Amino acid sequence: RKEVEQDPGPFNVPEGATVAFNCTYSNSASQSFFWYRQDCRKEPKLLMSVYSSGNEDGRFTAQLNRASQYISLLIRDSKLSDSATYLCVVKLTGGFKTIFGAGTRLFVKA
Amino acid sequence: DAGVIQSPRHEVTEMGQEVTLRCKPISGHDYLFWYRQTMMRGLELLIYFNNNVPIDDSGMPEDRFSAKMPNASFSTLKIQPSEPRDSAVYFCASSDRLNTEAFFGQGTRLTVV
Repeated sequence: RKEVEQDPGPFNVPEGATVAFNCTYSNSASQSFFWYRQDCRKEPKLLMSVYSSGNEDGRFTAQLNRASQYISLLIRDSKLSDSATYLCVVKLTGGFKTIFGAGTRLFVKA
Repeated sequence: DAGVIQSPRHEVTEMGQEVTLRCKPISGHDYLFWYRQTMMRGLELLIYFNNNVPIDDSGMPEDRFSAKMPNASFSTLKIQPSEPRDSAVYFCASSDRLNTEAFFGQGTRLTVV
Protein backbone atom coordinates (compact mmCIF):
# COMPACT_ATOMS: atom_id res chain seq x y z
CA ARG A 1 0.00 0.00 0.00
CA LYS A 2 1.32 3.45 -0.88
CA GLU A 3 1.92 5.82 2.01
CA VAL A 4 -0.16 8.53 0.34
CA GLU A 5 -2.87 7.56 -2.11
CA GLN A 6 -4.87 9.69 -4.46
CA ASP A 7 -7.33 8.91 -7.20
CA PRO A 8 -5.33 9.75 -10.35
CA GLY A 9 -8.45 10.83 -12.23
CA PRO A 10 -8.76 12.50 -14.58
CA PHE A 11 -11.74 14.43 -13.35
CA ASN A 12 -13.48 16.12 -16.25
CA VAL A 13 -15.91 18.81 -15.07
CA PRO A 14 -17.71 21.75 -16.68
CA GLU A 15 -17.02 25.30 -15.66
CA GLY A 16 -18.89 26.26 -12.54
CA ALA A 17 -18.99 22.74 -11.15
CA THR A 18 -17.96 21.73 -7.67
CA VAL A 19 -15.34 19.00 -7.48
CA ALA A 20 -13.77 17.21 -4.54
CA PHE A 21 -10.58 15.22 -4.19
CA ASN A 22 -9.63 12.90 -1.39
CA CYS A 23 -6.26 11.71 -0.26
CA THR A 24 -5.55 8.96 2.26
CA TYR A 25 -2.37 8.47 4.22
CA SER A 26 -1.19 5.41 6.07
CA ASN A 27 1.33 6.71 8.60
CA SER A 28 -0.25 7.87 11.84
CA ALA A 29 2.89 9.91 12.56
CA SER A 30 1.87 12.28 9.81
CA GLN A 31 1.95 15.79 11.16
CA SER A 32 1.63 18.40 8.42
CA PHE A 33 -0.54 18.35 5.36
CA PHE A 34 -0.61 20.39 2.19
CA TRP A 35 -2.18 20.56 -1.22
CA TYR A 36 0.11 21.52 -4.09
CA ARG A 37 -0.88 22.33 -7.63
CA GLN A 38 1.21 21.37 -10.63
CA ASP A 39 0.54 22.65 -14.12
CA CYS A 40 1.67 20.66 -17.13
CA ARG A 41 5.47 20.69 -17.44
CA LYS A 42 5.79 23.12 -14.53
CA GLU A 43 6.97 22.87 -10.95
CA PRO A 44 4.63 22.10 -8.04
CA LYS A 45 3.39 25.15 -6.15
CA LEU A 46 1.70 25.32 -2.79
CA LEU A 47 -2.05 25.71 -3.07
CA MET A 48 -2.85 25.61 0.63
CA SER A 49 -1.90 24.07 3.92
CA VAL A 50 -4.44 21.85 5.64
CA TYR A 51 -5.30 22.55 9.25
CA SER A 52 -7.03 20.28 11.72
CA SER A 53 -10.03 22.59 11.94
CA GLY A 54 -10.34 22.83 8.18
CA ASN A 55 -9.56 25.95 6.21
CA GLU A 56 -10.86 27.89 3.27
CA ASP A 57 -9.20 30.10 0.71
CA GLY A 58 -11.67 31.62 -1.69
CA ARG A 59 -13.18 28.83 -3.76
CA PHE A 60 -10.95 26.21 -2.16
CA THR A 61 -11.69 24.34 1.06
CA ALA A 62 -9.35 21.82 2.67
CA GLN A 63 -10.26 19.43 5.44
CA LEU A 64 -8.39 16.93 7.55
CA ASN A 65 -9.81 13.84 9.22
CA ARG A 66 -7.13 12.39 11.47
CA ALA A 67 -9.30 9.54 12.72
CA SER A 68 -9.84 8.22 9.21
CA GLN A 69 -6.47 9.47 7.97
CA TYR A 70 -7.59 11.40 4.96
CA ILE A 71 -7.55 14.94 3.70
CA SER A 72 -9.81 16.50 1.13
CA LEU A 73 -9.85 19.44 -1.24
CA LEU A 74 -13.08 20.99 -2.47
CA ILE A 75 -13.13 23.38 -5.39
CA ARG A 76 -16.28 25.40 -5.92
CA ASP A 77 -17.29 27.25 -9.08
CA SER A 78 -14.52 25.62 -11.14
CA LYS A 79 -12.66 27.80 -13.62
CA LEU A 80 -10.82 26.78 -16.76
CA SER A 81 -7.64 27.90 -15.04
CA ASP A 82 -8.13 25.31 -12.31
CA SER A 83 -7.13 22.60 -14.78
CA ALA A 84 -3.99 21.07 -13.30
CA THR A 85 -2.72 18.15 -11.25
CA TYR A 86 -3.37 18.43 -7.51
CA LEU A 87 -0.80 16.80 -5.25
CA CYS A 88 -1.49 15.75 -1.70
CA VAL A 89 1.55 16.17 0.55
CA VAL A 90 2.14 14.66 3.96
CA LYS A 91 5.01 15.42 6.30
CA LEU A 92 5.81 13.05 9.12
CA THR A 93 6.46 14.13 12.69
CA GLY A 94 9.67 16.09 12.91
CA GLY A 95 9.44 16.79 9.22
CA PHE A 96 12.03 14.17 8.50
CA LYS A 97 10.10 12.76 5.63
CA THR A 98 7.90 14.40 3.03
CA ILE A 99 5.65 12.24 0.93
CA PHE A 100 3.89 13.40 -2.20
CA GLY A 101 0.85 11.67 -3.58
CA ALA A 102 0.90 10.80 -7.26
CA GLY A 103 -1.60 13.55 -7.97
CA THR A 104 -5.14 13.92 -9.25
CA ARG A 105 -5.61 15.41 -12.69
CA LEU A 106 -8.43 17.90 -13.18
CA PHE A 107 -9.73 19.16 -16.51
CA VAL A 108 -12.27 21.97 -16.42
CA LYS A 109 -14.08 22.45 -19.72
CA ALA A 110 -16.07 25.33 -21.10
CA ASP B 1 13.79 37.27 -4.90
CA ALA B 2 14.28 35.25 -8.07
CA GLY B 3 13.10 32.04 -6.47
CA VAL B 4 14.88 28.70 -6.67
CA ILE B 5 17.09 28.59 -9.74
CA GLN B 6 18.03 25.36 -11.43
CA SER B 7 20.33 24.70 -14.34
CA PRO B 8 20.31 23.41 -16.93
CA ARG B 9 16.61 23.38 -17.79
CA HIS B 10 17.10 20.51 -20.20
CA GLU B 11 19.88 17.98 -20.46
CA VAL B 12 20.31 15.21 -23.00
CA THR B 13 23.22 12.89 -22.46
CA GLU B 14 24.44 9.50 -23.49
CA MET B 15 24.37 6.52 -21.21
CA GLY B 16 27.53 6.28 -19.16
CA GLN B 17 28.20 9.99 -19.09
CA GLU B 18 28.39 12.06 -15.92
CA VAL B 19 25.55 14.50 -15.37
CA THR B 20 25.60 17.41 -12.92
CA LEU B 21 22.47 19.31 -12.01
CA ARG B 22 22.71 22.62 -10.21
CA CYS B 23 20.52 24.50 -7.79
CA LYS B 24 20.55 27.90 -6.13
CA PRO B 25 18.04 28.04 -3.25
CA ILE B 26 16.17 31.10 -2.09
CA SER B 27 18.42 33.28 0.01
CA GLY B 28 17.87 32.68 3.72
CA HIS B 29 16.31 29.26 3.32
CA ASP B 30 18.03 26.70 5.53
CA TYR B 31 16.53 23.61 3.90
CA LEU B 32 17.22 22.33 0.42
CA PHE B 33 15.54 19.34 -1.17
CA TRP B 34 16.21 17.34 -4.32
CA TYR B 35 13.24 15.54 -5.90
CA ARG B 36 12.81 13.35 -8.95
CA GLN B 37 9.53 13.10 -10.86
CA THR B 38 8.55 10.37 -13.31
CA MET B 39 5.24 9.23 -14.66
CA MET B 40 5.63 5.84 -13.04
CA ARG B 41 6.78 6.86 -9.57
CA GLY B 42 5.52 10.41 -9.20
CA LEU B 43 7.49 12.87 -7.11
CA GLU B 44 10.15 11.27 -4.90
CA LEU B 45 12.37 12.94 -2.34
CA LEU B 46 15.99 11.99 -3.00
CA ILE B 47 17.87 13.93 -0.33
CA TYR B 48 17.61 17.02 1.78
CA PHE B 49 20.06 19.35 3.48
CA ASN B 50 19.80 21.55 6.53
CA ASN B 51 22.36 24.32 6.84
CA ASN B 52 24.41 22.69 4.07
CA VAL B 53 24.54 19.33 5.88
CA PRO B 54 22.88 16.27 4.31
CA ILE B 55 20.23 15.06 6.74
CA ASP B 56 18.41 12.28 4.94
CA ASP B 57 19.65 10.63 1.77
CA SER B 58 17.55 7.50 2.05
CA GLY B 59 15.77 8.38 -1.16
CA MET B 60 18.93 8.37 -3.27
CA PRO B 61 18.39 5.41 -5.57
CA GLU B 62 21.94 4.07 -5.67
CA ASP B 63 25.60 4.91 -5.39
CA ARG B 64 25.63 6.45 -8.83
CA PHE B 65 23.81 9.42 -7.32
CA SER B 66 25.54 11.94 -5.10
CA ALA B 67 24.64 15.39 -3.85
CA LYS B 68 26.65 18.18 -2.31
CA MET B 69 25.98 21.56 -0.83
CA PRO B 70 29.31 23.37 -0.46
CA ASN B 71 27.65 26.59 0.70
CA ALA B 72 24.28 28.07 1.52
CA SER B 73 23.65 29.27 -2.02
CA PHE B 74 24.58 26.28 -4.13
CA SER B 75 23.93 22.57 -4.42
CA THR B 76 24.64 19.91 -7.01
CA LEU B 77 23.17 16.53 -7.82
CA LYS B 78 25.50 14.31 -9.76
CA ILE B 79 24.80 11.06 -11.57
CA GLN B 80 27.82 9.03 -12.61
CA PRO B 81 27.48 6.99 -14.74
CA SER B 82 24.04 7.91 -16.05
CA GLU B 83 21.57 5.31 -17.30
CA PRO B 84 18.41 5.60 -19.43
CA ARG B 85 16.24 4.82 -16.37
CA ASP B 86 17.53 8.02 -14.77
CA SER B 87 15.52 10.01 -17.30
CA ALA B 88 13.15 12.20 -15.31
CA VAL B 89 12.50 15.74 -14.19
CA TYR B 90 14.69 16.67 -11.24
CA PHE B 91 13.41 19.41 -8.97
CA CYS B 92 15.25 21.35 -6.34
CA ALA B 93 13.22 23.02 -3.60
CA SER B 94 14.02 25.14 -0.56
CA SER B 95 12.22 26.21 2.58
CA ASP B 96 12.97 28.27 5.65
CA ARG B 97 11.61 25.68 8.05
CA LEU B 98 11.07 21.97 7.87
CA ASN B 99 7.31 21.87 8.21
CA THR B 100 6.46 24.78 5.99
CA GLU B 101 6.02 25.36 2.31
CA ALA B 102 8.78 24.27 0.00
CA PHE B 103 9.40 26.46 -3.04
CA PHE B 104 10.36 24.53 -6.14
CA GLY B 105 12.66 25.44 -8.96
CA GLN B 106 11.51 24.99 -12.54
CA GLY B 107 13.23 21.62 -12.76
CA THR B 108 15.79 20.00 -14.99
CA ARG B 109 14.41 17.63 -17.60
CA LEU B 110 17.03 14.92 -18.00
CA THR B 111 17.04 12.50 -20.89
CA VAL B 112 19.62 9.74 -20.98
CA VAL B 113 19.84 7.98 -24.33
